[in-house]
Amino acid sequence: DGGITQSPKYLFRKEGQNVTLSCEQNLNHDAMYWYRQDPGQGLRLIYYSQIVNDFQKGDIAEGYSVSREKKESFPLTVTSAQKNPTAFYLCASSIEAGELFFGEGSRLTVL
Amino acid sequence: AQSVTQLGSHVSVSEGALVLLRCNYSSSVPPYLFWYVQYPNQGLQLLLKYTSAATLVKGINGFEAEFKKSETSFHLTKPSAHMSDAAEYFCAVSANTGGFKTIFGAGTRLFVKA
Repeated sequence: DGGITQSPKYLFRKEGQNVTLSCEQNLNHDAMYWYRQDPGQGLRLIYYSQIVNDFQKGDIAEGYSVSREKKESFPLTVTSAQKNPTAFYLCASSIEAGELFFGEGSRLTVL
Repeated sequence: AQSVTQLGSHVSVSEGALVLLRCNYSSSVPPYLFWYVQYPNQGLQLLLKYTSAATLVKGINGFEAEFKKSETSFHLTKPSAHMSDAAEYFCAVSANTGGFKTIFGAGTRLFVKA
């Protein structure tokens, strides 16, 4: 079945550590996105990529980094510079400005 | 610039009652509008979308929404609530302007009482 796979589903990190969240899609979509979800704040865009080897900052990119070396893959690194990284992270893909297809999410907790 | 406002962070209805979740948007270009549903600890799933065709849009699970340009609204309704409808619902707006960015509302959590 086509879809978006995020891993790990749960992740714990000590302060000062970088962590990388994986996102893989087999929908053949050009555009991919990372969103952060906090209670009562909806979804906020971290980074997005419209094509391989190109990506743009979203509204809250500070403390995060991404790469897009393959069409299928869009990993997100949460760096130690991110001051409040505990959140639910959602990866999505789309065709143009249409429907977003989401993964199941990754919940990151900083200990 | 685009924005979305969802009125009411929590809505509670009785099973069998009408569900009405309110969404108002702002967009400088003709918008695409969406409603997504999220169950606990899961990703979002599309309920329905408006992309400039019919103004009354029917979605999955008996939900529908009406695009009203004069009121800049896109409210979500369902005639009869079911216990399985309890979830969080997000209204979203995007525009095919090449930026591929979708803006989400803060979400409305729907509670269904037996």
